[in-house]
Amino acid sequence: AQSVTQLGSHVSVSEGALVLLRCNYSSSVPPYLFWYVQYPNQGLQLLLKYTTGATLVKGINGFEAEFKKSETSFHLTKPSAHMSDAAEYFCAVRTNTGGFKTIFGAGTRLFVKA
Amino acid sequence: DADVTQTPRNRITKTGKRIMLECSQTKGHDRMYWYRQDPGLGLRLIYYSFDVKDINKGEISDGYSVSRQAQAKFSLSLESAIPNQTALYFCATSPEYLETGELFFGEGSRLTVL
Repeated sequence: AQSVTQLGSHVSVSEGALVLLRCNYSSSVPPYLFWYVQYPNQGLQLLLKYTTGATLVKGINGFEAEFKKSETSFHLTKPSAHMSDAAEYFCAVRTNTGGFKTIFGAGTRLFVKA
Repeated sequence: DADVTQTPRNRITKTGKRIMLECSQTKGHDRMYWYRQDPGLGLRLIYYSFDVKDINKGEISDGYSVSRQAQAKFSLSLESAIPNQTALYFCATSPEYLETGELFFGEGSRLTVL
């Protein structure tokens, strides 16, 4: 069975500091991996995704994530946080077995201090 | 206009009442989903549908039912609402042609059951 673990329900950084949101997954087959972002009072939107090929994936708003199979991780980073990055971030995994379902982590809320 | 529209956006109801949440989409996607979001739990799949004649239970379908009235419409019903169904509900879509199954979300329906 697939599962996703996000380490830290809340992360606080200063504006301009590195953002690192951690995600580990379990899957018996090669997964598709996603990061979604949810701004206040909005639905989720795709930030980036890993399918196949290059393990370093770039997304919108300067975010990127690296797929590390040996560590079963897909951590999200951004070199320099901006106030507008404050949101909740969800890591998700999907495989083409198990009914083609997407499984989400519990989410990490990012706070950005001025 | 939003591509995935949910109505109502907010609803307060009482225990035992029947509630319907509606979702319509203009994206032309075949696949539609209902998720529930609770703090600290992320998003959990309630039901999903890959076409009008296909309905599947997700991980937390008890107490819920769905109807796929057309390719563009997917409704979620709570036959007899209870307080622990208080949550934020999201409808999502994905295109069949996209193997990775990227999801496109509505803005959510916040339901409070008193």
